[in-house]
Amino acid sequence: GAVVSQHPSRVICKSGTSVKIECRSLDFQATTMFWYRQFPKQSLMLMATSNEGSKATYEQGVEKDKFLINHASLTLSTLTVTSAHPEDSSFYICSAGEQGSYEQYFGPGTRLTVT
Amino acid sequence: DAKTTQPPSMDCAEGRAANLPCNHSTISGNEYVYWYRQIHSQGPQYIIHGLKNNETNEMASLIITEDRKSSTLILPHATLRDTAVYYCIVLKGRYNTDKLIFGTGTRLQVFP
Repeated sequence: GAVVSQHPSRVICKSGTSVKIECRSLDFQATTMFWYRQFPKQSLMLMATSNEGSKATYEQGVEKDKFLINHASLTLSTLTVTSAHPEDSSFYICSAGEQGSYEQYFGPGTRLTVT
Repeated sequence: DAKTTQPPSMDCAEGRAANLPCNHSTISGNEYVYWYRQIHSQGPQYIIHGLKNNETNEMASLIITEDRKSSTLILPHATLRDTAVYYCIVLKGRYNTDKLIFGTGTRLQVFP
């Protein structure tokens, strides 16, 4: 099946700094990608829908100015956590769908720890 | 999208069939039932989906009741690697650009 990668796989940053997470579709083009956040022992929570060439659509309660999403090409979406705080520590996962396929492909996730 | 209800956890012996139920009593006629699973600390993985007919692929079988108010995911010969959280999701369309809303899922533990 199609492959979605994320970089980095884990990152530790200091409180107040910003962190960028990349999501790439390696062998297909994705006009739409999704970003999720998962806290320990909880389910995935959809944060936003990333649309190539346009603004992202954020779910209710997700601060768009804190979680900046850029989908500049058909194979790359980035999530930037700005002014990170310890409560932003979480597992961030992206997904994308390949045209003609009915399933979404998920990245391996990025574990963010804010100290 | 219709809401789903799943048992929080289940156990299954290795080599036996694992039957994971899902209730979706408010499903409407054009909504599909999708199953994904998430192995610990990994991204979710698609398993199978269906509308009203039973479906089977290399991973699992999906049995949907005639009234479509519930379904069962069957892993015919569970292995230790099938230990994961299984999510049943109902979607209006079969397009992979539709957002997935994950519930709490069923944590399946396969034991030796």
